[in-house]
Amino acid sequence: KAGVTQTPRYLIKTRGQQVTLSCSPISGHRSVSWYQQTPGQGLQFLFEYFSETQRNKGNFPGRFSGRQFSNSRSEMNVSTLELGDSALYLCASRRTVSTDTQYFGPGTRLTVL
Amino acid sequence: AQTVTQSQPEMSVQEAETVTLSCTYDTSESDYYLFWYKQPPSRQMILVIRQEAYKQQNATENRFSVNFQKAAKSFSLKISDSQLGDAAMYFCASVRDYGGSQGNLIFGKGTKLSVKP
Repeated sequence: KAGVTQTPRYLIKTRGQQVTLSCSPISGHRSVSWYQQTPGQGLQFLFEYFSETQRNKGNFPGRFSGRQFSNSRSEMNVSTLELGDSALYLCASRRTVSTDTQYFGPGTRLTVL
Repeated sequence: AQTVTQSQPEMSVQEAETVTLSCTYDTSESDYYLFWYKQPPSRQMILVIRQEAYKQQNATENRFSVNFQKAAKSFSLKISDSQLGDAAMYFCASVRDYGGSQGNLIFGKGTKLSVKP
């Protein structure tokens, strides 16, 4: 079974631009979560989507948003990019919200110049 | 709120030796799950081992085992017969159980493990 895939793997943007990252969960998994990983803050939860609905949201500004499609694929969008948004963005999937174990994708490395 | 603390930013072990990575957590919940994830350099985060808080028996996965001390809120990872491929960042994490619905992962800051040949 294929794992979690994320595209693109690397992105370079400039301040003020917006970016969209994509995540395809493991087949049969309906929950997708997004995490931001930085050297200073570590791994922080952004949001989780289940059945096309945002189920939970971390403490991030409204510039960070996401959505989930009927096939469980998810996208996250960051508008008006700031230098501090440079990070590795990880997507994780699990079968349902009653499943405790999440499986991670390889991440998208975003660099904001 | 749940918190997870890894007090060892870096650890080093000789190949074939045993190393223990420490993790403590703080939660007021009775139902939760604990995890160790491994993130090799520039590679994908993978699950190493998982522990259900309601189980007293310590989880084991081949060379990896945990020492789960619920009263002390401690969850350490022991790696036996260390191999070069074990070199990675190790993250301790917890998930709260909301009566059958699971929350998001709360991670520690990580421990960088080096394995010396």
